[in-house]
Amino acid sequence: GENVGLHLPTLSVQEGDNSIINCAYSNSASDYFIWYKQESGKGPQFIIDIRSNMDKRQGQRVTVLLNKTVKHLSLQIAATQPGDSAVYFCAENIPPNTGNQFYFGTGTSLTVIP
Amino acid sequence: KAGVTQTPRYLIKTRGQQVTLSCSPISGHRSVSWYQQTPGQGLQFLFEYFSETQRNKGNFPGRFSGRQFSNSRSEMNVSTLELGDSALYLCASSFLTGSGTGELFFGEGSRLTVL
Repeated sequence: GENVGLHLPTLSVQEGDNSIINCAYSNSASDYFIWYKQESGKGPQFIIDIRSNMDKRQGQRVTVLLNKTVKHLSLQIAATQPGDSAVYFCAENIPPNTGNQFYFGTGTSLTVIP
Repeated sequence: KAGVTQTPRYLIKTRGQQVTLSCSPISGHRSVSWYQQTPGQGLQFLFEYFSETQRNKGNFPGRFSGRQFSNSRSEMNVSTLELGDSALYLCASSFLTGSGTGELFFGEGSRLTVL
């Protein structure tokens, strides 16, 4: 059949501004979440993770917020730089999987305008 | 420390053939997972191996198989290739001391084109 590409949400921001990328996850039982960044021609790269017993976690220039009530995850990037341009994926782990079986979102394409 | 290494990086096959992809995880990592990435379906989990045992399996037909060796290196095989198998196949390794989840370190992927 016809291979229809996923329509990736896109986000364009000016260099230096803050970026917020959102993700709605599927299962209320999910207990571990990871944000990945994928640049063109490369594999996904870990950015930050959060477990379900937390609401917020901060890294270097990045913050992840978890709202379990509405099953929503967000990634905030402070002072966005051109090198941040990439596709960003959220991934969830749903118990009782005892291992690394993750379900990935469709991704958001971030473009940073110099 | 070397990252996850996948070979080959690119390959072209024809329908009906079979293919074997290889993955060398980061030294010390015992968990190896495989994912398929396509424009139509995104990133989808194929299977995970830990200490030479398949621990999880995604929803793919039996044509997709894998194995892990005692040195944690892993291979996946796709038999009777179909056009729809064209994809980027990503391997990811993780350091786990037992059951549970951990950060995945991905390789650059093997891009398979089926003609």
